[in-house]
Amino acid sequence: GAVVSQHPSWVICKSGTSVKIECRSLDFQATTMFWYRQFPKQSLMLMATSNEGSKATYEQGVEKDKFLINHASLTLSTLTVTSAHPEDSSFYICSARDMTRAGWDQETQYFGPGTRLLVL
Amino acid sequence: DQQVKQNSPSLSVQEGRISILNCDYTNSMFDYFLWYKKYPAEGPTFLISISSIKDKNEDGRFTVFLNKSAKHLSLHIVPSQPGDSAVYFCAARDDRGSTLGRLYFGRGTQLTVWP
Repeated sequence: GAVVSQHPSWVICKSGTSVKIECRSLDFQATTMFWYRQFPKQSLMLMATSNEGSKATYEQGVEKDKFLINHASLTLSTLTVTSAHPEDSSFYICSARDMTRAGWDQETQYFGPGTRLLVL
Repeated sequence: DQQVKQNSPSLSVQEGRISILNCDYTNSMFDYFLWYKKYPAEGPTFLISISSIKDKNEDGRFTVFLNKSAKHLSLHIVPSQPGDSAVYFCAARDDRGSTLGRLYFGRGTQLTVWP
């Protein structure tokens, strides 16, 4: 089955530092990756859609200068939380879309295991 | 604006019984619906899905029902097992144009199956 990895799985950092989270599709190419954020007992909120070779599309209310997304290859997207603050502490999850299985009657999006970020 | 709603934050069911998880949506343009299972500190894993042209899809112990007129879907788990205890997310997909592939999630329902 399709596998998506995230690294690191958890990170603790000081306020003001930047943190980079990697999302990799291990056995398929993903032209599109999605970044989500989940607060405790809350839904997964889409932050941005990342397309290989082009700028990410951010959801309303998400600061693009704070959450930098780079999708430089068909298997890797990165999310960098710049100048992190305690309110950025959250669970960040990526997903990748396998376009070889694209078809509207199929599930084609696979999720990574998530990254827990704690900003002190 | 929550386009996908799961109004029950939790459900407790005895092992062997049926678990019914409900989900409502507001956007009539959604054409594909999915259920995900999630354990703490892990990403969601796909469970079962249904397209808008169907009203039922079954996979082993899991069955999803779709009522388009009511904009309602439900997940039935029969028989429930303790290993089914997890948070279940309902999601909907709108494959039009620029929103291709985007999923809209509900807040999830914590299912607890007790022996």
